[in-house]
Amino acid sequence: AQKITQTQPGMFVQEKEAVTLDCTYDTSDPSYGLFWYKQPSSGEMIFLIYQGSYDQQNATEGRYSLNFQKARKSANLVISASQLGDSAMYFCAMRMNTGFQKLVFGTGTRLLVSP
Amino acid sequence: KAGVTQTPRYLIKTRGQQVTLSCSPISGHRSVSWYQQTPGQGLQFLFEYFSETQRNKGNFPGRFSGRQFSNSRSEMNVSTLELGDSALYLCASSSSGTREHEQYFGPGTRLTVT
Repeated sequence: AQKITQTQPGMFVQEKEAVTLDCTYDTSDPSYGLFWYKQPSSGEMIFLIYQGSYDQQNATEGRYSLNFQKARKSANLVISASQLGDSAMYFCAMRMNTGFQKLVFGTGTRLLVSP
Repeated sequence: KAGVTQTPRYLIKTRGQQVTLSCSPISGHRSVSWYQQTPGQGLQFLFEYFSETQRNKGNFPGRFSGRQFSNSRSEMNVSTLELGDSALYLCASSSSGTREHEQYFGPGTRLTVT
């Protein structure tokens, strides 16, 4: 079975600083995708970044980058130059490349950005 | 392009009643997935529909059901509501194109069972 672990219930960062949110995963399948989503207090899940298990380079999307270490089974999210609007819950998720869209989520990390 | 829409946004029901939630995916998307989010269990996959067929199902009792119409709109139904069904229900749509890994979520329906 697939499992996502996020060990940081909460993180604090000052505006303009970088922050790393941790995510480790467990699967025996060789082909999978890893995702990060942001959930503001409004409830909507916002897609941030995706990393395929066979991708050679770490994914980047603007201020977001994914530090993918396959041997360690980790997929940490790095947010550079934090902004006040980054305050939200962040979820790491995994999907097997079976053609189905089922996502397995971690428990999330609440990020608070202070001025 | 319009995003994923869910109706209603908020709902209050009584134990034993049934409820139907609706999800309209992004135009052109054929896959719709449903998730339940609770403080205790987190985000859990309910089911996925693709071209009007359920092709994957999570570990939920038979009281939870769904369907998808020919226009890809999807509904989920919960019968004989229990207090534990109080949750945020999220649906997500995805395409079969080059960025098929992206799932776009709607704003959710917050269901309260009293």
